[in-house]
Formats: sequence, C-alpha cells, structure tokens
Amino acid sequence: EVQLVQSGAEVKKPGESLKISCKSSGGSFPYHWVAWVRQMPGRGLEWMGSIYPDDSETRYSPTFQGQVTISADKSTTTAYLQWSSLEASDTGIYYCARLPRLGPLAGTHFDYWGQGSLVTVSS
Amino acid sequence: EIVLTQSPGTLSLSPGESATLSCRASQSVRSNFLAWYQHKPGQAPRLLIYGASSRASGVPDRFSAWGFGTDFTLSISRLEPEDFAVYYCQQFGSSLFTFGQGTKLEIK
Repeated sequence: EVQLVQSGAEVKKPGESLKISCKSSGGSFPYHWVAWVRQMPGRGLEWMGSIYPDDSETRYSPTFQGQVTISADKSTTTAYLQWSSLEASDTGIYYCARLPRLGPLAGTHFDYWGQGSLVTVSS
Repeated sequence: EIVLTQSPGTLSLSPGESATLSCRASQSVRSNFLAWYQHKPGQAPRLLIYGASSRASGVPDRFSAWGFGTDFTLSISRLEPEDFAVYYCQQFGSSLFTFGQGTKLEIK
C-alpha cells in the first residue's frame, strides 16, 4: 500500500528557513510525479509545484515560482519543500501528493496524499 | 490559467438526500482532465473521481460525476453522515494544475 508520511508541525519566525519532508513507501517512488499543495487558513487547495524524482525535473505554479524550492532524494524516497526566508503569509497546511503514472490519465490528478504538515510563521 | 468556479459555495442537506455540485471552467478542460476530491478537517484530501467520470478505487457508487468541456457535475445520492465535507474539483492543462474554491456540504 502506498503511504506518504510528512514531517511534523513547525513554528517559525519570519525570515527563517524551513525544509519539510514527505516520505514515500509502497510504490515506485522515482517514477511518479510528486506534488506539493498548500491550504492557507480557511482557504482552499493550491497546487505549488511538482517533481519527478527520477531526474528531478520540476515544474512550479507561477504563483510559487521563486518562492519555494521542491526537491527529492531517490535513495530515501523522500520529497522536500523548502523556503529560504519565511513570511507570515506562508502559514498554512502543506500536503504532498502523488500522481499516477499509468494510463491515459497519468499525471493529471493526485491519487495518494500525505497527512499534511502545519507550518506556522509568527513573530 | 484555467479558473474553476464551484457552486454553490455551501450546500445544506440532510442525510438521505441527494447533492449536486457544479464546477465550471473558464476554458475547455483538455481531454476531461478533471478530478474531484473530498476533504474533511484534519484529514488528507481523498480522490473521488478522475477523468471527469471515473470513480477512484474504494469510492461508493453513490458518487457519480459527468461533464465535458467547461461544465462538470458531481452527484452524491443517499447522503451518509460521512459525506459531509468540502469538495474540490481540479483540472490539469498546460502542465499546470488548478483547483476550484470548494463546495462545503453541511448537515442541515
């Protein structure tokens, strides 16, 4: 069974850096795109970007391009989302999600999700 | 970027009733790359429907969906207590994903 287990809640101050993780098990990690999705307090879901772990090809939403960095480590089957300088507006829940890789609808939706990582940025 | 608009924003119904949720796209969604998710507080979103009308594994047949181009619908018949949640549609096109703003299905 595929499982995505994310790192725990974080409380940070504005200007600090942060890297959160998403550990995958039960599937062929290198060959599935993995995405990060943000949910700000009281708001809906926003796709931030995706990575293909096998070659680290990365695609970003225009909204998040240059604001975050997505990476992956095939050897540990883990994807990462990082910020170099957090802002209060980065407060939210961040989900990782896997994209299916087979069939005509491969890569068009998210079939498995992590449990979410709460990030709170406050002075 | 394709914008998805969901309606209604909130739907108040009782268990046993049927729900109809709408998702309208600002441009035609390519090849029906349209999915629906259920999201409950404190839980991960759950894939319900992909390809506009295909149920994901384990999703009860009370959930059905259809649509084409710019207009898509999710229908839930015989509402169960566990169905009350927020529902999102999502599309994929030009290497970008966008979500609708969500419809909250609440108990009346």
